[in-house]
Amino acid sequence: DAKTTQPNSMESNEEEPVHLPCNHSTISGTDYIHWYRQLPSQGPEYVIHGLTSNVNNRMASLAIAEDRKSSTLILHRATLRDAAVYYCILDRGGADGLTFGKGTHLIIQP
Amino acid sequence: EPEVTQTPSHQVTQMGQEVILRCVPISNHLYFYWYRQILGQKVEFLVSFYNNEISEKSEIFDDQFSVERPDGSNFTLKIRSTKLEDSAMYFCASSDFRSGEQYFGPGTRLTVT
Repeated sequence: DAKTTQPNSMESNEEEPVHLPCNHSTISGTDYIHWYRQLPSQGPEYVIHGLTSNVNNRMASLAIAEDRKSSTLILHRATLRDAAVYYCILDRGGADGLTFGKGTHLIIQP
Repeated sequence: EPEVTQTPSHQVTQMGQEVILRCVPISNHLYFYWYRQILGQKVEFLVSFYNNEISEKSEIFDDQFSVERPDGSNFTLKIRSTKLEDSAMYFCASSDFRSGEQYFGPGTRLTVT
């Protein structure tokens, strides 16, 4: 399985944009790039996913490099509620189980 | 907004006992999953289920584990003879194949004493 690399932790200030990087240099052509997050004491929560093009939804934006070897999750205006562990996961879709890494622990300062 | 529900929220059991963890996936979803997270560790995939059979399972999902969809709404995980190391949060998830995103429940905390 292709692996992802994320920083262990990042810190940002409330109401500022946050850019969470992910490297996936061994990604295959059929792998979707998924982002999930896990708030303290909760189950993982889907954030966004994409294949080749940049994607936007109500929670975040996903910027995918042209060679697909890296991607960036963008939270446009962080709130305290965005403090969580963010996971970048490659997924072929369908019935496959997700492989969670350690993710990036995002700390939001008021 | 539809959500995945799980019961109980916390289950305490003695080593060697059988436990059944229950989940109600989102009603129009076709794929169902179980994951676990030992305290302080990564979320680990256990098993996926589609069309009334197991689609994929991890090395963790040994003969002590089984899954079932006993009716049109519930999805269960059974651990036949619990061990201390089975203590963890167990998360159920479901997905609609077309989107692929998985929706997770709030989890059941299993404590084996």
